[in-house]
Amino acid sequence: GQNIDQPTEMTATEGAIVQINCTYQTSGFNGLFWYQQHAGEAPTFLSYNVLDGLEEKGRFSSFLSRSKGYSYLLLKELQMKDSASYLCALRGAGGFKTIFGAGTRLFVKA
Amino acid sequence: SAVISQKPSRDICQRGTSLTIQCQVDSQVTMMFWYRQQPGQSLTLIATANQGSEATYESGFVIDKFPISRPNLTFSTLTVSNMSPEDSSIYLCSVGETYNEQFFGPGTRLTVL
Repeated sequence: GQNIDQPTEMTATEGAIVQINCTYQTSGFNGLFWYQQHAGEAPTFLSYNVLDGLEEKGRFSSFLSRSKGYSYLLLKELQMKDSASYLCALRGAGGFKTIFGAGTRLFVKA
Repeated sequence: SAVISQKPSRDICQRGTSLTIQCQVDSQVTMMFWYRQQPGQSLTLIATANQGSEATYESGFVIDKFPISRPNLTFSTLTVSNMSPEDSSIYLCSVGETYNEQFFGPGTRLTVL
């Protein structure tokens, strides 16, 4: 089976940088997703990491280390609108099934 | 990216009844997925629906409770049968044709009284 762990909640200040961690245990996977989900809305795609390393996309960056079973999402120049849940998810090896972690609720304060 | 619509967007139902949720995609897709998101929780995969074959259910979900149809490559339905208050949830349809993409519909918010 798979197990995905994320912190339940985080608080950060507008303009700051925040790192949301995700650790996982799995027998194999194709890649790791990060999604953003605002309350009452569907998840929206942020990133997909297959290879180890950092991928940067504007204010958001995502990192993956397969050997350590670890990923993080880095949000820079935080804005109030970044207050949302951030979901880490694994795409299964050999298939398209995606399993989600419990998500991290980020609160951005002024 | 695929554009996904769901009907209804929300409903309030009585215990013991059934509700069928529709998912329509603007392009042909091989696999469609149904997820449930209970209040304050993350997404749980219910089943994978492939056109031309029976849906594949995840542990804890059975066909009698959540029958799924997939009549063509752009449409699927999920029925929540014999509902109880524990079925109150958001139900989301999702598609992803390549490994690095997965898109979600807007969800159906179900409340069971």
